[in-house]
Amino acid sequence: EDKVVQSPLSLVVHEGDTVTLNCSYEVTNFRSLLWYKQEKKAPTFLFMLTSSGIEKKSGRLSSILDKKELFSILNITATQTGDSAVYLCAVAVGSNTGKLIFGQGTTLQVKP
Amino acid sequence: NAGVTQTPKFRILKIGQSMTLQCTQDMNHNYMYWYRQDPGMGLKLIYYSVGAGITDKGEVPNGYNVSRSTTEDFPLRLELAAPSQTSVYFCASSLVAELAKNIQYFGAGTRLSVL
Repeated sequence: EDKVVQSPLSLVVHEGDTVTLNCSYEVTNFRSLLWYKQEKKAPTFLFMLTSSGIEKKSGRLSSILDKKELFSILNITATQTGDSAVYLCAVAVGSNTGKLIFGQGTTLQVKP
Repeated sequence: NAGVTQTPKFRILKIGQSMTLQCTQDMNHNYMYWYRQDPGMGLKLIYYSVGAGITDKGEVPNGYNVSRSTTEDFPLRLELAAPSQTSVYFCASSLVAELAKNIQYFGAGTRLSVL
């Protein structure tokens, strides 16, 4: 059975801290790994990773994939209260379906 | 840009009632998906569609039905609502020209309570 596991499940930090969110997976027919941010409503897309070792960056957020060890990390530097959200990791599987398998999510709270 | 639109935003049902959750997208996306999200959990795939007239089951299809008569619309039907179907439902769509670039775009969700 395909499985995606995120850790930690929740995290509380103060503004300015750096956080690392983890995502490990065991799936058949891996296509890509995606990170989403969810702030009480719809998940919004952050990154897609398809190759090992290539870091994706967007401002203070960055992510990297290790296809040998089957995990990804999402780093957020200099955290702000606006980073408070649930971060979802998902793995795209299958050949012609576009199906995503989601992890449980990591709830991040950034305190002023 | 409207993107993916879901209606209603909130609904309370009694056990045994039926309802349809509406989802429409204006991005001309081929693929559409329905998920449910229970508290503290990730999203579970209910049904998906790779194009008009084609639907298939996801991880948790029991108690639900879907149809895809047009590219734009993908309604989700609950026939006999049960308390276990209390959840937040998300519809998503993607343009899968290249599978490795499948990015799903989500609607704002429908919060459903079955009492």
